[in-house]
Amino acid sequence: EVQLVESGGGLVKPGESLRLSCAASGFIFSSYRMNWVRQTPGKGLEWVSSITSSSNYVQYADSVSGRFTISRDNAKNSVFLQMNSLRGEDTAVYYCARSDSTYWYFDLWGRGTLVTVSS
Amino acid sequence: EIVMTQSPATLSVSPGERVTLSCRASQSVSSNLAWYQQKPGQAPRLLIYGASTRATGIPASFGGSGSGTEFTLTISSLQSEDFTVYYCQQYNIWPLTFGGGTKVEIK
Repeated sequence: EVQLVESGGGLVKPGESLRLSCAASGFIFSSYRMNWVRQTPGKGLEWVSSITSSSNYVQYADSVSGRFTISRDNAKNSVFLQMNSLRGEDTAVYYCARSDSTYWYFDLWGRGTLVTVSS
Repeated sequence: EIVMTQSPATLSVSPGERVTLSCRASQSVSSNLAWYQQKPGQAPRLLIYGASTRATGIPASFGGSGSGTEFTLTISSLQSEDFTVYYCQQYNIWPLTFGGGTKVEIK
């Protein structure tokens, strides 16, 4: 089955760190670009970060640049999001999403993992 | 940053009716526009990419059109499962941005 499964979410205090993981299966992971998109409870969608298939190009939203780092391990069919210096406004459901080799729309999404930043 | 504006925020429609959702970009995104459907408690699902190409498995009742700054998503005959939230997204320029969503509710 073609799927993405996120893990690593939880409750953390402001200033702390968290590492999200996304495990891919059912497709050739190394051929696809990957992304993280978040959604504040009850609100809309916000793109967070993207990485190319070979990790040679990454992009970040201004709101997370300098604090979050995206990476991937093609041997393990996984993409990661290291989140440091977390803030209350980072509280959201974080989705892992796939893009093809040409365009940055999201054709496959995981179910998401909830990150709550609160003291 | 390209701002994506969806209108209306909420649309009240009767089952079986045709509905048109609007998405406007603050500057041209060419045809690099996607539409997603999101049901409560679920991840978004890709409906349309390239402004008008249906994604795999999406029924023909969903159609997209437009280019540049003005885009529309049309659902030709609303079924019960179509009453939910729809988002547009531009992928022409970084940062990638989404519209605020349109909720289609039962009238």
